[in-house]
Amino acid sequence: RKEVEQDPGPFNVPEGATVAFNCTYSNSASQSFFWYRQDCRKEPKLLMSVYSSGNEDGRFTAQLNRASQYISLLIRDSKLSDSATYLCVVTRHTGGFKTIFGAGTRLFVKA
Amino acid sequence: DTAVSQTPKYLVTQMGNDKSIKCEQNLGHDTMYWYKQDSKKFLKIMFSYNNKELIINETVPNRFSPKSPDKAHLNLHINSLELGDSAVYFCASSQGLLGGPQETQYFGPGTRLLVL
Repeated sequence: RKEVEQDPGPFNVPEGATVAFNCTYSNSASQSFFWYRQDCRKEPKLLMSVYSSGNEDGRFTAQLNRASQYISLLIRDSKLSDSATYLCVVTRHTGGFKTIFGAGTRLFVKA
Repeated sequence: DTAVSQTPKYLVTQMGNDKSIKCEQNLGHDTMYWYKQDSKKFLKIMFSYNNKELIINETVPNRFSPKSPDKAHLNLHINSLELGDSAVYFCASSQGLLGGPQETQYFGPGTRLLVL
């Protein structure tokens, strides 16, 4: 079982839709959580960090559930430009520093 | 003024050759990383250096050797290239390892390696 798992998708949604991605992690010692976005043939870029209290940045909301060991990303009012792969990232320091990327969830937003 | 730069962007070479990829960051970060992204788009960490000290060394063939001459540079040398080494290699840097925003990674544009 992979340490970080995501639904690979693809998710095909119309413009204006709300879409949610989930990511689960298996190591309870995980400490920091992030969502990155990767456009086709480009490098990954930070979308947002994920905090225990949940955080929002415009149309994007990230949540962390430590008890169930998952993080989520909600995108409201999807735009065509949101089409990309969304990568869940988990880091931990116990037993040595480790950073693990999920395999990514592909999103296609269509007009 | 690129934050994390890699050279070359594209690298086409024959099996058995030795090649290097260079990475530089001008962000003043203490930590640098090398990732491999294969044809299935899975991004896997290979190495990480913090203040020029190796802190992550994943299960990677010893044909791959990172070298960090200073905090701003992390180069990747690959000996005896194999077909399976074809992938996109990303360099990244972060301010540190203390959690939260310090761990935000900034990626270079990638080096597309094709081994024939």
